[in-house]
Amino acid sequence: DQQVKQNSPSLSVQEGRISILNCDYTNSMFDYFLWYKKYPAEGPTFLISISSIKDKNEDGRFTVFLNKSAKHLSLHIVPSQPGDSAVYFCAARVWGAQKLVFGQGTRLTINP
Amino acid sequence: SQTIHQWPATLVQPVGSPLSLECTVEGTSNPNLYWYRQAAGRGLQLLFYSVGIGQISSEVPQNLSASRPQDRQFILSSKKLLLSDSGFYLCAWSIPPIDTEAFFGQGTRLTVV
Repeated sequence: DQQVKQNSPSLSVQEGRISILNCDYTNSMFDYFLWYKKYPAEGPTFLISISSIKDKNEDGRFTVFLNKSAKHLSLHIVPSQPGDSAVYFCAARVWGAQKLVFGQGTRLTINP
Repeated sequence: SQTIHQWPATLVQPVGSPLSLECTVEGTSNPNLYWYRQAAGRGLQLLFYSVGIGQISSEVPQNLSASRPQDRQFILSSKKLLLSDSGFYLCAWSIPPIDTEAFFGQGTRLTVV
């Protein structure tokens, strides 16, 4: 039962343009959502998060949008840079639980 | 500052052999600890998590087990490895009761041959 889904396994974007990564979820009990970035052979690093009571959170070039009615969140990166090439994981926390549920990941490639 | 150490970085083991992966966290007390696995082409699957010494919750029935003998030490074990145990294993920690972020180690690439 995949509660957090990233339906696009890969995404290719030109440098300087906007990258949009998408994530869908099914569990209405999720109260916190996070995005992680992962390079090969390394552990994921935290990027940005959003509480379920908000619909937008911005940090520099990164913005996360949450649409609770659609059970959908997205990560916008603008402008995209070559160093942004990595696998991006969406994650969610169940209210009251002490664990994160991750999506399958999306491989983002920024082309010069 | 807090740091997490996970070793070894890579491991090649024959089928049927035992496994022991160790993870330690420094600079914090009473962390929540987690073992995740990333199989080839798949996402991060939570295997075990622990909220205290000796307290282990298993998320997926499998050939693996976990133990927490000390507050900041988390061990992933197997008595007999299977080919399907190959993958990238990640240890992580978070700060209760906030738990809004999990911080990951560098991972162990396990190949069972």
